[in-house]
Amino acid sequence: EAQVTQNPRYLITVTGKKLTVTCSQNMNHEYMSWYRQDPGLGLRQIYYSMNVEVTDKGDVPEGYKVSRKEKRNFPLILESPSPNQTSLYFCASSFRQGAYGYTFGSGTRLTVV
Amino acid sequence: AQSVTQPDIHITVSEGASLELRCNYSYGATPYLFWYVQSPGQGLQLLLKYFSGDTLVQGIKGFEAEFKRSQSSFNLRKPSVHWSDAAEYFCAVGAGRSGNTPLVFGKGTRLSVIA
Repeated sequence: EAQVTQNPRYLITVTGKKLTVTCSQNMNHEYMSWYRQDPGLGLRQIYYSMNVEVTDKGDVPEGYKVSRKEKRNFPLILESPSPNQTSLYFCASSFRQGAYGYTFGSGTRLTVV
Repeated sequence: AQSVTQPDIHITVSEGASLELRCNYSYGATPYLFWYVQSPGQGLQLLLKYFSGDTLVQGIKGFEAEFKRSQSSFNLRKPSVHWSDAAEYFCAVGAGRSGNTPLVFGKGTRLSVIA
């Protein structure tokens, strides 16, 4: 089944403790992206990747890192999480950046205390 | 750069009633337009998309949307709403021919369905 898989689904962590949210897609998509969703703010793009080893900042990149060492994986790294990063995170992938629509993962609900 | 406005934050309809969710976009050329649905606790699922051609687009779950260039709109419709349609709906616009800019999402419309 074609899908984007995120792990974990739920995560509670403490301020400053490094964490990684994994994202993997099995559709051979070139484009991958991370969003955060907050009430009243909709979806905001954190980082995106046009292809392997090509990443770029979205609208809200501060406090996040990403890497794209292989086509299928696009992990989101929070080096020193803070409470304002408590949010619902989505990974998405597509053949091309904006032309074909995205396939989304099921989301990761992160709470930083 | 493109932008999307969903004027209605929350809509409540009765089960069996018709539904129209509004979406207005801003983009200088021919846009790619999408509607997504997010059920509680789930990711976003693509309902339908418009690339070109027929301006009335059919999607999954009985939804349709009409592209109206003169009004810069892409409203989502369903003739008879079911309780399971209660969810959040997002309109998105992508750059047309180049496809080299990210999809831009509206802030969403939450749909409640009452008996």
